[in-house]
Amino acid sequence: AQKVTQAQTEISVVEKEDVTLDCVYETRDTTYYLFWYKQPPSGELVFLIRRNSFDEQNEISGRYSWNFQKSTSSFNFTITASQVVDSAVYFCALNGGYQKVTFGIGTKLQVIP
Amino acid sequence: DAGVIQSPRHEVTEMGQEVTLRCKPISGHNSLFWYRQTMMRGLELLIYFNNNVPIDDSGMPEDRFSAKMPNASFSTLKIQPSEPRDSAVYFCASSFPQTGLGNTIYFGEGSWLTVV
Repeated sequence: AQKVTQAQTEISVVEKEDVTLDCVYETRDTTYYLFWYKQPPSGELVFLIRRNSFDEQNEISGRYSWNFQKSTSSFNFTITASQVVDSAVYFCALNGGYQKVTFGIGTKLQVIP
Repeated sequence: DAGVIQSPRHEVTEMGQEVTLRCKPISGHNSLFWYRQTMMRGLELLIYFNNNVPIDDSGMPEDRFSAKMPNASFSTLKIQPSEPRDSAVYFCASSFPQTGLGNTIYFGEGSWLTVV
C-alpha cells in the first residue's frame, strides 16, 4: 500500500520568508515517482515537479527547490523568498506503479503581505 | 495546447437528480482519471481508464456512480440519483506514457458540484 503524509495542514508566513513543506511517503515499490502539485484559490491543480526514485539530486527552479531523501522517505519542497502569489494548497503525490497515484492531504500555505 | 477540458464548471442540482460531468482529455493522452476532492477526504481517485478501458474503479463510492469512456477524447462521470453528500469538486485528469512508471497527470479545472 502507498501512503503520503503531509503533516503540516496549514502554514502562514510573512512575505519574503522561506518556507518548507514536508512530505513523507511509504511504498513497497523499489521504483516509484513523486510529484508536487499546486492548487491556488482558483481551484485548478497545477503540476510542479516529477521525480523518480533513482534520482536523488535536489532540484531548483527559480524560487522553488525540492529535496528528495530516500533514506528518510521524504520529498520536501522549499519556497525561497515567498510571495503572496504562492498562497495555495500544495499536494505531494506518489506513484508506485500502474498509474495509481496517491495524494497527500495537502498543505495550505498562506503568505501574508 | 488545450489542457484537460471539463464541463460544467459549476453545477447546482437537487437531490435525486441525475448529474453528468464531462471531460475531454489532452489529445494524445491514453489514460484518463476521475478524482473527487472534499475537505474531509482530500483527493480520491474514483476510476481510471487506459486506452478507453476502465482499469480500476475501486474508488467509485457506490452504484450511483458510473463512468464511461466511449472514445479517446471523451469521458463522462454520472451520478444517479445524486445526494447532498456527493457535493464536491470532481477533477478529470489525463496522462500519456513516459519512460517507466510515474506518468505525469494533468488535471482539468474541476467541476464544482453542489447537491441541495
